[in-house]
Amino acid sequence: QLQLQESGPGLVKPSETLSLTCTVSGGSISSSSYYWGWIRQPPGKGLEWIASISYSGSTYYNPSLKSRVTISVDTSKNQFSLKLSSVTAADTAVYYCARSRGELPYDYWGQGTLVTVSS
Amino acid sequence: EIVLTQSPGTLSLSPGERATLSCRASQSLSSSFLSWYQQKPGQAPRLLIYGASSRATGIPDRFSGSGSGTDFTLTISRLEPEDFAVYYCQQYGSSPLTFGPGTKVDIK
Repeated sequence: QLQLQESGPGLVKPSETLSLTCTVSGGSISSSSYYWGWIRQPPGKGLEWIASISYSGSTYYNPSLKSRVTISVDTSKNQFSLKLSSVTAADTAVYYCARSRGELPYDYWGQGTLVTVSS
Repeated sequence: EIVLTQSPGTLSLSPGERATLSCRASQSLSSSFLSWYQQKPGQAPRLLIYGASSRATGIPDRFSGSGSGTDFTLTISRLEPEDFAVYYCQQYGSSPLTFGPGTKVDIK
């Protein structure tokens, strides 16, 4: 059974860079046709897609965040990561990592990790 | 960017009743790349429906999806106690991927 687990600091200061890692277990991150993504949810609000990376390394970003976001994969550790720079209080959210296959939506999700931006 | 609108915002129903949730897209979705998720407090979203009408693995058949183009519907035929949650539609055919604002199904 595929499992995804987010990890990273729960508190980030304004203007700094938020860094999160998603560790994938129960399957290979480099399997063909898989896409790995990050989605966030501010407290009490809806879901926002941040970015995705394909099994081949192609990256896709939400234009609203593109200038501040980097997504990457470390196949040796079976992990993928998110970096969000110049954070503000508006970036406070639960951050989820997730997997999709081919032309299908995200079917496996991590449990989510709350990141608070505050000094 | 494709904007998704969901209605109603809140649906108050009793167990055993039928729930009908609507999702409307600002432009036609290619190949019906529309999915539905269920989210309970403190949990990650759970995929229910993909391709507008296909149930995901392990989803009970009381959940069904329909629609095409710009108008989509999620129907829960008979609400079970565990079905009271927030439901989101999502389009995944066009970047950026977008979600609707959600419909909360609560107990009347």
